[in-house]
Amino acid sequence: DIQMTQSPSSLSASVGDRVTITCQASQDISNYLNWYQQKPGRAPNLLIYDASKLETGVPSRFSGGGSGTHFTLTISGLQPEDIATYYCQHYDDLFFTFGPGTKVDIK
Amino acid sequence: EGQLVQSGAEVGKPGESLKISCKGSGYSFSGYWIVWVRQTPGKGLDWMGIIYPGDSDTTYSPSFQGQVTISADMSINTAYLQWTSLKASDTATYYCARLVSISAGYFDSWGQGTLVTVSS
Repeated sequence: DIQMTQSPSSLSASVGDRVTITCQASQDISNYLNWYQQKPGRAPNLLIYDASKLETGVPSRFSGGGSGTHFTLTISGLQPEDIATYYCQHYDDLFFTFGPGTKVDIK
Repeated sequence: EGQLVQSGAEVGKPGESLKISCKGSGYSFSGYWIVWVRQTPGKGLDWMGIIYPGDSDTTYSPSFQGQVTISADMSINTAYLQWTSLKASDTATYYCARLVSISAGYFDSWGQGTLVTVSS
């Protein structure tokens, strides 16, 4: 089974800061990596698919990168509405794995 | 754009049966896989299983195989998640979501979640 890890598990940053979250896969997963944002009390929402493609309607301050085993989600200019937990997710032949999540707060 | 609407919060006792639902609208429900995801209080997301409403082809996560049953009725655009014997550890919020396609493994539409509380 492929395991997904995320770091850090939580972070605090100031409004306007550049924030980067990392997702690591236990083996090469090419670009089969997606990112979701989950605000408190809400369902997850797709941000990035196929490692780097921005979902329609998602602000351009969000970007994704990486391939193989190492992936990043970057928020270029953190906004108060970005307070949320962020999850990476991998897909392989109708089996899905979510990372443990990274909680982002405003300092 | 597709929309998924889930049934309301449920409270059950250990040993009871329960079935929750997820109704799709605004798209061809039978043509997209629907996944169920569990989120225990304050924790992350666990994939439970996935169903293709068009032919009810179903795959379960090994962690949930035998613990729940996933089904669908495409005539009423609804997918279901059911338990035959609830446990306290089933207390969680359950989400359904739509898989974009079998080759694109991401979920572009989510239900609002159903909170299931199991308590004696």
